[in-house]
Amino acid sequence: VQLVESGGGLIQPGGSLRLSCAASGFSFSSYAMSWVRQAPGKGLECVSTISSGGGMTYYADSVKGRFTISRDNSENTLYLQMNNLRAEDTAVYYCAKRDSSGWYGVDNWGQGTLVTVSS
Amino acid sequence: NFMLTQPHSVSESPGKTVTISCIRSSGSIASNYVQWYQQRPGSAPTTVIYEDNQRPSGVPDRFSGSIDSSSNSASLTISGLKTEDDADYYCQSYYSSNWVFGGGTKLTVL
Repeated sequence: VQLVESGGGLIQPGGSLRLSCAASGFSFSSYAMSWVRQAPGKGLECVSTISSGGGMTYYADSVKGRFTISRDNSENTLYLQMNNLRAEDTAVYYCAKRDSSGWYGVDNWGQGTLVTVSS
Repeated sequence: NFMLTQPHSVSESPGKTVTISCIRSSGSIASNYVQWYQQRPGSAPTTVIYEDNQRPSGVPDRFSGSIDSSSNSASLTISGLKTEDDADYYCQSYYSSNWVFGGGTKLTVL
């Protein structure tokens, strides 16, 4: 299993960014996926989840209305569109493959991509 | 909704055994599986325990997980400590489609 994130960087408050996660080594279309972030020196927070087929999505209250999760099962890629970014969104964003149940926890983690929101 | 509370830090010597606790604030600890993640400095997390007490392939049997309904808590025990175990450890459980993470425990092996 390999999960490779990209798309992070420095962005001004109010700006937009799209993260990508290229998945390989497993049947991507069979698994729910999540984005988990970690602010500098802080703990882990699951910000968004998408079902295996893409029909169901979930968001943490902290990002609801600003972030959109999506996936392209034909390209084995997960996305996170982040709009109206705030300083408190500064974090490393990890792509996470959920376990086979889709509920319990993380099977595999990506290496993360850093998003810095600052003027 | 519930919280998971972990000690901020623990320390122990190489070769010894350490146990990290994770206390659930409400609802039964046995109601939802607990996972444990290890995060070495500068690295992404990795899963060391899933479904309360299962080890992924490649995780040494020095790592074990358990739950205790009397204290409504989960525990991660690491025996035969090695310097490479020096890391942050996070417990995690869930309700509906939401994940709840503990605040993390810094394990120092010295």
